[in-house]
Amino acid sequence: KAGVTQTPRYLIKTRGQQVTLSCSPISGHRSVSWYQQTPGQGLQFLFEYFSETQRNKGNFPGRFSGRQFSNSRSEMNVSTLELGDSALYLCASSVTGADYNEQFFGPGTRLTVL
Amino acid sequence: KQEVTQIPAALSVPEGENLVLNCSFTDSAIYNLQWFRQDPGKGLTSLLLIQSSQREQTSGRLNASLDKSSGRSTLYIAASQPGDSATYLCAVGAGNTGKLIFGQGTTLQVKP
Repeated sequence: KAGVTQTPRYLIKTRGQQVTLSCSPISGHRSVSWYQQTPGQGLQFLFEYFSETQRNKGNFPGRFSGRQFSNSRSEMNVSTLELGDSALYLCASSVTGADYNEQFFGPGTRLTVL
Repeated sequence: KQEVTQIPAALSVPEGENLVLNCSFTDSAIYNLQWFRQDPGKGLTSLLLIQSSQREQTSGRLNASLDKSSGRSTLYIAASQPGDSATYLCAVGAGNTGKLIFGQGTTLQVKP
């Protein structure tokens, strides 16, 4: 069974640009969550999608947005990039996101903002 | 607001030693707790999931326990090996959804 895949693996952008990251969950998983990992703040929850609806949202500015498609694939978008957006962006999938569902993470997308 | 703390931040042990990693959380009303491993520059690998109604889970040389009343979980690694060197993260389920709240991690080095 294929794991969670994320594309691209690496991105270099400049301030003010926008970026779109993609996540394909494990087959049969309907919940997709996104996290930002930085050395200073650790892993922080961005948002979660389930059945194409945002079910939960972390404390990030509106420049961070996402969506989920009918096949459960998800994208996140960051507009007007800032230097502080440089981070490893991880997505995780689970069957439904409920308490008994194990979360599986992808390899991440390393975003560098210059 | 749920906060998750992991102590120590770093740990170095000789190969073969048994060790315990600690995780504490401030709000006992958790839905589950999951332990992960992260190798440098890589994603997270799930190690063990403990549902809120469970007290422990075991997988091979790993055993994780959960005590909700005291807000603590421990990850026990038996007979450590150099390949166990990584950062270990615990995360609590913040609701009956996919949201996890992570600790800062414990970086483990196992010396041959």
